[in-house]
Amino acid sequence: QVQLQESGPGLVKPSGTLSLTCAVSGGSISSSNWWSWVRQPPGKGLEWIGEIYHSGSTNYNPSLKSRVTISVDKSKNQFSLKLSSVTAADTAVYYCARVNSLYGSGSYYRIFDYWGQGTLVTVSS
Amino acid sequence: DIQMTQSPSSLSASVGDRVTITCRASQSISSYLNWYQQKPGKAPKFLIYAASSLQSGVPSRFSGSGSGTDFTLTISSLQPEDFATYYCQQSYSTCTFGGGTKVEIK
Repeated sequence: QVQLQESGPGLVKPSGTLSLTCAVSGGSISSSNWWSWVRQPPGKGLEWIGEIYHSGSTNYNPSLKSRVTISVDKSKNQFSLKLSSVTAADTAVYYCARVNSLYGSGSYYRIFDYWGQGTLVTVSS
Repeated sequence: DIQMTQSPSSLSASVGDRVTITCRASQSISSYLNWYQQKPGKAPKFLIYAASSLQSGVPSRFSGSGSGTDFTLTISSLQPEDFATYYCQQSYSTCTFGGGTKVEIK
């Protein structure tokens, strides 16, 4: 059973950089899966931040692309998120998740099948 | 970017009711549409992929339909454990979630 666990500071100052790590257990980060970050502001909906493959290939949400860096550390079986120039609008629960591909109707469909428990990051001075 | 619009944003229903949630994409996404359930304080749980394929272990009272731009999640007979917020998500072009539909007890 794959498990994901987010860790990092729960409080970040405005204009600073938010840094989180997602530790993967029960499976290898070098498997044929992408690994993703999703966030949820308090009382609001889900927003996809970006994803990474173990090769280092990344895809980012265009609305956050200029401020986001996602990296992978295969030796530690973990991946990380950095979000720069944060404001109060970046206050959210941040989730890491595994992207899996399921086959159906002649195509592969990408889904988030395993999630971390989420970690609240507050941006405040 | 592909925008996903869910309706309604919330609804009140009773145990045993049939519930329908709609999700509309800003452009055609074929059948690249997934549904998730989220309970307070918990991570989302994956329910349906490819618009209508039920994930293993998900009760058969859940069903999905649609293709192109218009999609539906139906719960045929609402159970107490189904009160939650539901999100659609497109995987046709990177990823976008709908705004969510909160299903509350009437």
